[in-house]
Amino acid sequence: QQQVKQSPQSLIVQKGGISIINCAYENTAFDYFPWYQQFPGKGPALLIAIRPDVSEKKEGRFTISFNKSAKQFSLHIMDSQPGDSATYFCAASNNFNKFYFGSGTKLNVKP
Amino acid sequence: DAGITQSPRHKVTETGTPVTLRCHQTENHRYMYWYRQDPGHGLRLIHYSYGVKDTDKGEVSDGYSVSRSKTEDFLLTLESATSSQTSVYFCAITTSGRDEQYFGPGTRLTVT
Repeated sequence: QQQVKQSPQSLIVQKGGISIINCAYENTAFDYFPWYQQFPGKGPALLIAIRPDVSEKKEGRFTISFNKSAKQFSLHIMDSQPGDSATYFCAASNNFNKFYFGSGTKLNVKP
Repeated sequence: DAGITQSPRHKVTETGTPVTLRCHQTENHRYMYWYRQDPGHGLRLIHYSYGVKDTDKGEVSDGYSVSRSKTEDFLLTLESATSSQTSVYFCAITTSGRDEQYFGPGTRLTVT
């Protein structure tokens, strides 16, 4: 049973547009929700993360929105650029011992 | 990259042979992890370690064993490789506050 469900599987956005990727979880014990960016042939890289005591966190063009009651969180990429084209993974952790990842979203930003 | 290296980076092996992958870190992090990455499945935790000789199973541990005799090295062994273990394997660490996880460059393993 997948602990974290991610959608969509793939996403095409025009340059300058907003990319939105969604994740949902069931385990209410999760207390840390990171997002990772992965380029082909590379390992995932931590992009931004949030804890459930806040509803939103913004770093540059990247924003996490967190809805604790709905057990959902999402990544918004504002002013998307071709260089943002990559695979994005959401994850969830309980006390940082084990991390559970979503299945990934392949983002393609068209020039 | 948090000083994480993996070896080998690529390996082709035959079904039934044992295989050991190595993860080496230079920054004395306590927590280390092994994941496998497959299309449509994201990253799945195989085993993790919370200290020397302290390890625990993840979601997909069957057919894999690990060892950690030194803080800097975490070994993943496929006892008898099968074609279903063809995958990209990533090692990771979490920082001392355990709130940031960093990944190595990966090992692409093909079992024929």
